[in-house]
Amino acid sequence: AQKITQTQPGMFVQEKEAVTLDCTYDTSDPSYGLFWYKQPSSGEMIFLIYQGSYDQQNATEGRYSLNFQKARKSANLVISASQLGDSAMYFCASKRTQAGTALIFGKGTTLSVSS
Amino acid sequence: DVKVTQSSRYLVKRTGEKVFLECVQDMDHENMFWYRQDPGLGLRLIYFSYDVKMKEKGDIPEGYSVSREKKERFSLILESASTNQTSMYLCASSTGQGTYEQYFGPGTRLTVT
Repeated sequence: AQKITQTQPGMFVQEKEAVTLDCTYDTSDPSYGLFWYKQPSSGEMIFLIYQGSYDQQNATEGRYSLNFQKARKSANLVISASQLGDSAMYFCASKRTQAGTALIFGKGTTLSVSS
Repeated sequence: DVKVTQSSRYLVKRTGEKVFLECVQDMDHENMFWYRQDPGLGLRLIYFSYDVKMKEKGDIPEGYSVSREKKERFSLILESASTNQTSMYLCASSTGQGTYEQYFGPGTRLTVT
């Protein structure tokens, strides 16, 4: 069955440091996309970054980049120069097979940034 | 600015009540989704819809139904609320093209007592 795995329930980092949040995926669909969302304590889900399975280069959006390793089926999120406002829950997700545009989500990683 | 709105941020209902959660999007998106979020379980798909009057079951449809009479509106219905339906409910929408990025509403925290 299709699965998204985030093995880190919680991560702690100091301001200005870089942090990597892990995500592995398991899909039989040759054309898939991977998403990362951020959920602050207020609850809204904020889209961060997307990587298509056929994209040759790793996706980047400002301080966010995706370390996409197809052979390992991993799509880790790298946040450079962490800020206090990065403290939130982060979800990795992938487009579902056989369900159109619906997404399947991992269980999330809580990131805490301290000063 | 794109927007998905949900009718309530917080809702308290009694066991056995019929509960309606409303979601409206202003982006003319074809696809709409209802997820449930519980600690340690991530987001789980309840129902989704590709078009008006169309609906598809997700992973956990039991105890829920949905209605999509207009393109912009997708309603989640708890026919007879139970305490195990106490949760955060998130609505999302997406276009049927491109990356299929989903835009989320602010969520409704439902408590069933």
